[in-house]
Amino acid sequence: GAVVSQHPSWVICKSGTSVKIECRSLDFQATTMFWYRQFPKQSLMLMATSNEGSKATYEQGVEKDKFLINHASLTLSTLTVTSAHPEDSSFYICSAIGALPTYEQYFGPGTRLTVT
Amino acid sequence: AQTVTQSQPEMSVQEAETVTLSCTYDTSESDYYLFWYKQPPSRQMILVIRQEAYKQQNATENRFSVNFQKAAKSFSLKISDSQLGDAAMYFCAYRGQGGSEKLVFGKGMKLTVNP
Repeated sequence: GAVVSQHPSWVICKSGTSVKIECRSLDFQATTMFWYRQFPKQSLMLMATSNEGSKATYEQGVEKDKFLINHASLTLSTLTVTSAHPEDSSFYICSAIGALPTYEQYFGPGTRLTVT
Repeated sequence: AQTVTQSQPEMSVQEAETVTLSCTYDTSESDYYLFWYKQPPSRQMILVIRQEAYKQQNATENRFSVNFQKAAKSFSLKISDSQLGDAAMYFCAYRGQGGSEKLVFGKGMKLTVNP
């Protein structure tokens, strides 16, 4: 089955620093990936849609300058949280769209970010 | 815009019994997909079942089945012979027909399975 990995699975960083999270589709090519944020006991909140070779499309209210998304290849998308602050602490999940006919979304295992 | 509503934040069921999780949605589209995802404590999202709106037959996957009522915009999940491993958050989700359409999630429901 299709596998999506995320790295790191857990990261702690100091306030003011930047942290990069990688999302890889291991056995398929994904022209579209999604980045979600999830607070405890809440649903997934879509942050942005990442398309290979083009700029990401951000959801309303998501700061594009704080959450930089790069989809440089068909198997890799990265989310960089710039100048992180404690309120950016959250669980970040990526997903990648598979191929025809279902275009199913395959989810990564998530990354827990703690900003101290 | 499409919306997905899960009105029950929590439910519990005895092991080996049956439980039904409810979900309603709103859309003006005629072709779309509906999903139930499971998120166990590991927080890995797992696809439980998928329903294509153009199919009248309800989807089934082993102990999991759905009751899809297109006119009522209702999409409930029935879990039969509940097992301890079924304990998780369950999310109902909608997706349009396009290949790069985003998923619209409900708020989720926490299922507890009692031994």
